[in-house]
Amino acid sequence: SAVISQKPSRDICQRGTSLTIQCQVDSQVTMMFWYRQQPGQSLTLIATANQGSEATYESGFVIDKFPISRPNLTFSTLTVSNMSPEDSSIYLCSVASGGAKTEAFFGQGTRLTVV
Amino acid sequence: QKEVEQDPGPLSVPEGAIVSLNCTYSNSAFQYFMWYRQYSRKGPELLMYTYSSGNKEDGRFTAQVDKSSKYISLFIRDSQPSDSATYLCAMTKAAGNKLTFGGGTRVLVKP
Repeated sequence: SAVISQKPSRDICQRGTSLTIQCQVDSQVTMMFWYRQQPGQSLTLIATANQGSEATYESGFVIDKFPISRPNLTFSTLTVSNMSPEDSSIYLCSVASGGAKTEAFFGQGTRLTVV
Repeated sequence: QKEVEQDPGPLSVPEGAIVSLNCTYSNSAFQYFMWYRQYSRKGPELLMYTYSSGNKEDGRFTAQVDKSSKYISLFIRDSQPSDSATYLCAMTKAAGNKLTFGGGTRVLVKP
């Protein structure tokens, strides 16, 4: 299994500011995924981050709002820009691991509150 | 209509009972099926994954996939209060690809 570390684990931010979330994996992975989990809701994919190319965003998410970096095969960052209270959520990174990349593992998440 | 449907619960059972969870889906392209457990304020923890149709057992957990009916299930035997959590089903079209999640079922196991 993959071990995923996310930083920060939680933060309270002022509206209009930006927060960068870091995701570190203990092994090299091709794709990393960023999800959002709004209060009481399930997980929604924000984007897929491949090393060496631009991230692929899902419908409803744009690069200006959620810029992503993927400088190497073990690390990625997600920035939540120009935050509003509606951005208050848990943000999670995920990787596919296992021999056939069939198992998807998650970090512990970053709990963001925008005030 | 959502691609993956899951009853939100809550599902309340006495300790020792069998917990039965299920999801239905609409996209026949899904090939890999997973169940996650999520405790409050924690990230999802992978419990089981299954490829295509069939059953898989791991300890107290049994996962079933019926692709013809587009229906998946998770059974938890001898449930314990520590099993109280939200259970999420997820599925993907190919290994290593993005996951599509159900809405999650909250389970409460009462001592």
